[in-house]
Amino acid sequence: AQSVTQPDIHITVSEGASLELRCNYSYGATPYLFWYVQSPGQGLQLLLKYFSGDTLVQGIKGFEAEFKRSQSSFNLRKPSVHWSDAAEYFCAVGDGGATNKLIFGTGTLLAVQP
Amino acid sequence: DSGVTQTPKHLITATGQRVTLRCSPRSGDLSVYWYQQSLDQGLQFLIQYYNGEERAKGNILERFSAQQFPDLHSELNLSSLELGDSALYFCASSSGRTQYFGPGTRLLVL
Repeated sequence: AQSVTQPDIHITVSEGASLELRCNYSYGATPYLFWYVQSPGQGLQLLLKYFSGDTLVQGIKGFEAEFKRSQSSFNLRKPSVHWSDAAEYFCAVGDGGATNKLIFGTGTLLAVQP
Repeated sequence: DSGVTQTPKHLITATGQRVTLRCSPRSGDLSVYWYQQSLDQGLQFLIQYYNGEERAKGNILERFSAQQFPDLHSELNLSSLELGDSALYFCASSSGRTQYFGPGTRLLVL
């Protein structure tokens, strides 16, 4: 069965520091991968997605993610974090079938120190 | 703004009651998905509709049901509510592989 693991429940970084959030997936075929962000009291906003092609994908708000098939990973990165990036981040895999339902990781809560 | 709307934003009710959550998808999207976000279960897929027809079911309780209407809006009906049904319920819509989420309905069962 498909699954997504986000090993870090909570991460704290200083403003201006770089960020990497880890995501590992388990999926039999080529996965459809997503990162969503949830700010307090808000819905889920799509940051970026990977379907095929270039394994480094750019998203909104200066985020990027790299798909590494050999490591079954899709880590999210940002070179310089802003205080407004404090939120919860979810990695998800689409099951690729007719339903394309999303399977989510447990999320990583990002805190940004001034 | 994703273009997906959900009403109401908040809902407080008592155990044993029935509620209806409403979702309007983005213009042109035929697929609607419902997800539940709770502290103990995380984000879980409940059910999907495509152009009025049920397409897939996930971890949806028998007390819960959904439908999609000809104008493509969808409703999620939750009945015989229990304390454990308290959660954030999201609707998402898509016309391809990418799902866009609404702001959610926060349900509190007392």
